[in-house]
Amino acid sequence: DAGVTQSPTHLIKTRGQQVTLRCSPKSGHDTVSWYQQALGQGPQFIFQYYEEEERQRGNFPDRFSGHQFPNYSSELNVNALLLGDSALYLCASSLASGVRDTQYFGPGTRLTVL
Amino acid sequence: DAKTTQPPSMDCAEGRAANLPCNHSTISGNEYVYWYRQIHSQGPQYIIHGLKNNETNEMASLIITEDRKSSTLILPHATLRDTAVYYCIVRVLYNQGGKLIFGQGTELSVKP
Repeated sequence: DAGVTQSPTHLIKTRGQQVTLRCSPKSGHDTVSWYQQALGQGPQFIFQYYEEEERQRGNFPDRFSGHQFPNYSSELNVNALLLGDSALYLCASSLASGVRDTQYFGPGTRLTVL
Repeated sequence: DAKTTQPPSMDCAEGRAANLPCNHSTISGNEYVYWYRQIHSQGPQYIIHGLKNNETNEMASLIITEDRKSSTLILPHATLRDTAVYYCIVRVLYNQGGKLIFGQGTELSVKP
């Protein structure tokens, strides 16, 4: 049973560029959450997708957007990259069923903005 | 802001029990206590969660005080591979908001 997978593993971009990160949830899961983790900090919630719609959003600008596909996979898009967007981007999947909604994380995508 | 307070770091000898404390004095009746750990540069790993009863699984035990204002994660026989940052999180069930709010966590160092 495959866990949460993310691609790519590492990515280097320059300021002003746009980036797309991808996430495939754990088998049987229907909800995807995205987190940003700056160096030395705990992960910060970006947003969550369920039934192809953004269900909840953290305190991130509109430059951060996402999408969920019918197969429950998800993309995170970041436009007009800033140096401060350099971080580990984590995807977590869960099942929207109350007490069984524990979030399981993928290995992350390390984004470096130069 | 995170609703939990944890010591920034702890040491534990290999083979001994590691007891990681967490204070959550403002926890609400419908909030669960979750524990995750993160080994350097990897994604957080789910460990255990509970509401008010003590819980045990193959990885750890979770002891929640009767007033639910604090809890302790116990790794019964710590190994070097348990060296990680451990996060204590309180959250409501999915239908009331699914996000996890991470604090700074406790950096556990297991030493030979």
